[in-house]
This record gives sequence, structure tokens and C-alpha cells, in this order.
Amino acid sequence: DIQMTQSPSSLSASVGDRVAISCRASQTISDSLSWFQQKPGKAPKLLIYAASNLRSGVPPRFSGSGSGTHFTLTISGLQPEDFATYYCQQTYSTPYTFGQGTNLDIK
Amino acid sequence: QLQLQESGPGFVKPSETLSLTCTVSGGSINDNNYYWGWIRQPPGEGLEWIGSISYTGSNYYNPSLRTRVTISVDTSKNQLSLRLSSVTAADTAVYYCARRFNSNWLRYFDYWGQGTLVTVSS
Repeated sequence: DIQMTQSPSSLSASVGDRVAISCRASQTISDSLSWFQQKPGKAPKLLIYAASNLRSGVPPRFSGSGSGTHFTLTISGLQPEDFATYYCQQTYSTPYTFGQGTNLDIK
Repeated sequence: QLQLQESGPGFVKPSETLSLTCTVSGGSINDNNYYWGWIRQPPGEGLEWIGSISYTGSNYYNPSLRTRVTISVDTSKNQLSLRLSSVTAADTAVYYCARRFNSNWLRYFDYWGQGTLVTVSS
């Protein structure tokens, strides 16, 4: 199985900040990487697919980069609604695996 | 707007079989561009992919669950189903169904159901 490791596991930031979340794969996954946002009691919501493609309707303050084994989700200008847990997921090969999550909360 | 809705018992006894259904509305399950899958999340924990299936019935499962899981589709009802046998407390989780975009190289889960909590307890 491909292991996905996110860092940090938790992150405190303020409204207006720029934050970056890292996701590393245990082997190359090309650009088969998605980012999800999850709020308590809700299903994950797709933000980014194929490493850097912004899903339609997602605010442009979210961006993704990387390929191979190292990926980054960047949120530029945090808004109150962005405080949530973020997951990366590889869809390069089965079993599709997720990172352990990064909890982003208000400082 | 595509919607997915999971349904099924909220409680299952240990050693029994968990059965869930996902009803797709606002779109057809008969679409070459998509696979359909199940993902679960134990309370307070991360996400685990269970398996995926196409409308033709082509499926593949997480090896960690393969001996216990069956995913099927009913195109006449626009539904997919999950059966997980011999459950234990470790199978307690919120179960999500989701649609996966499918091409030769591009795959991502774009629509998810709201999830349903299944508790394994005697």
C-alpha cells in the first residue's frame, strides 16, 4: 500500500493568514492526488484534484502543487469558514489511501 | 445536482453482516465516466477506502477487507450496495458512498453522500 503522510497534524492560524499543508507519498504517485476539506459531522468535500486543479466552485484562495511524492495545499488569506480538517488522498493505485489529516483551528 | 444518500441499519451485532444502500439521484449510475465507491471513517479517526465498482459490475476492494466485503450495483434502481460480513467493533464507523471520476489517468472522488453511522454492538 502507498502510505500518505501529512504534516503538520494540527495547525493554528488566524483569519487572513497564509498556511501550507504538506502531504508525502511513500512512492511516486505522479499527480494522482486530491485534497479534501471536512467539517465536523459532514462528508469530505473535494477541493483540489490531480494535484493542482481547483474544483469548480472552490474559492481561488485554495491552491495545490507538487508531483511525484511531495504535495502541498496552500490557503491564502484564511477565512472563518476554512477552519476544518484537511485530508490528502492518492488515487494512483489501489488501495486508494488517505493522509491522517491536518486539523486547522483558530489561533 | 447529483445527490447520494446512504441508508441502512444504524446498529449491527458482532459477527453479523452490515448492509448499506446508496441511492443516486440527479444523475445516472449508468455512466462510463464514473465508478462508485464506499469509504468509511471510524469516530474521531481518518478515512479508509473500502472499494469501488462500475455500472457494469467491475469492482475492486481494499485488500484489508477483501475477504469480507461485497459491493454491487442495481442499475434499475440507480443504487449501489455494500455488504460487510463478520463485523466486529472495529467496523464501527460512518460509511460514505461517493462517485469517482474515471479516465485513463485522472481519478478523483467528487460527490459524497452525507454518511451514515453504523455501530457494531451486542
